[in-house]
This record gives sequence, structure tokens and C-alpha cells, in this order.
Amino acid sequence: GNSVTQMEGPVTLSEEAFLTINCTYTATGYPSLFWYVQYPGEGLQLLLKATKADDKGSNKGFEATYRKETTSFHLEKGSVQVSDSAVYFCALSDRVGGATNKLIFGTGTLLAVQP
Amino acid sequence: NAGVMQNPRHLVRRRGQEARLRCSPMKGHSHVYWYRQLPEEGLKFMVYLQKENIIDESGMPKERFSAEFPKEGPSILRIQQVVRGDSAAYFCASSPLGLEGYTFGSGTRLTVV
Repeated sequence: GNSVTQMEGPVTLSEEAFLTINCTYTATGYPSLFWYVQYPGEGLQLLLKATKADDKGSNKGFEATYRKETTSFHLEKGSVQVSDSAVYFCALSDRVGGATNKLIFGTGTLLAVQP
Repeated sequence: NAGVMQNPRHLVRRRGQEARLRCSPMKGHSHVYWYRQLPEEGLKFMVYLQKENIIDESGMPKERFSAEFPKEGPSILRIQQVVRGDSAAYFCASSPLGLEGYTFGSGTRLTVV
């Protein structure tokens, strides 16, 4: 079945450091790919998405490119801030018979940014 | 335009009691999804509902769990005879027309004591 694998955390960085969180997927067909962010005690917020190969999703300085050849969707940011500290989830859409639109999530990566 | 509203935010139940979790989707959204997040894990799909219909319940445990989304009112996730292993955060999401990238609520954190 479809699955998502992302790097384990925690990832600890100093402010203004470069961030990469790796995400690879296994899927039949052509799913859409997502990054969600979860701040402490809150629900998930959509950070960015890409719907087809070579698409780049971007938002708030974060970027991720849908790489079909390597089945990857790595999250990057050039200069992190303390306020970026959160758990980041990679996910793919799993459409069954055109009806269900459930998401398959990775286990999440905790990012801690220190001043 | 209010987001996805879940209540209660925190719920404590003793083993054997029933837990009812409520989810009001965003205005105009007719598709609701429930996910469970166990400690230190990612979210796992439980059930997908449209108004008065269960579309996909492949992630629901076979016993004690049920979900509904009536014509009027919020979606309800019901857990009967709770056990310690049911302790988790339960998230609801909604979307219009089943489109991708839907909106999540803030979750209900269930603790079974």
C-alpha cells in the first residue's frame, strides 16, 4: 500500500540555519504530496502542496519539489527562525476509486530552533 | 468564517465509559474526515463521511467505535467502553467536494484513566 517515510527527529538548529527534512513515498498512481505543520497543542496546518511531478510547493519561505524519479518531497528553508519550531508532517493523498481522499502521513519530524 | 470546530478540547474518561467527540466542519464543507494521533506517532485515517453517509471507514477499529454526520448538526465520533489504549488526540478535517488539502480542527485530546 501507499506509505510515507520521513526522517526522524528531533532536528535541532540555530536561528538562520538551513533546514532540510527528508520525505520519501511509495505510491501507485500519481498522488498529491503535502507538508503540514503542527504547533504545540494545535491542529495541523497545511504548509504547502504539490499535485504533480516537478511541481514546487512554497509558502512562508519553505519549499518542496515533487520528484517522481526519486519518489521524494524534501522540505527546505534557507533560514529558519525560532517561530518555525514545530512538528512537520509529510503526507500523500490516497484516492480510492475516485471517492475517498484520505491522507497518508509520515510519523512527523520535530524541529527545534534555538536563538 | 470560522474554521473547523472541535469540542471538547480535552476529555477525560474512566475505563468503560463512553466518549463523544464533536466536529463542526467549515461553512460550506460537506466532507468530514476523522484521524487519530497516538503519542509519538503520525496521524492515522479513521473514517470519511459526507452528510448522512459513511463513505470509507477502513481505518475504524471493528468494535466500540462509530461515527456519524447527520443532516443537521456536527459530526460525532463515538467510542464506547473506552480503554487506556484509546488515549490519543482525535482530529477532524473538512473539505468542500472532497478536494485535497483540507482544513483540520485543533483536535480533542482524550485521556482514559
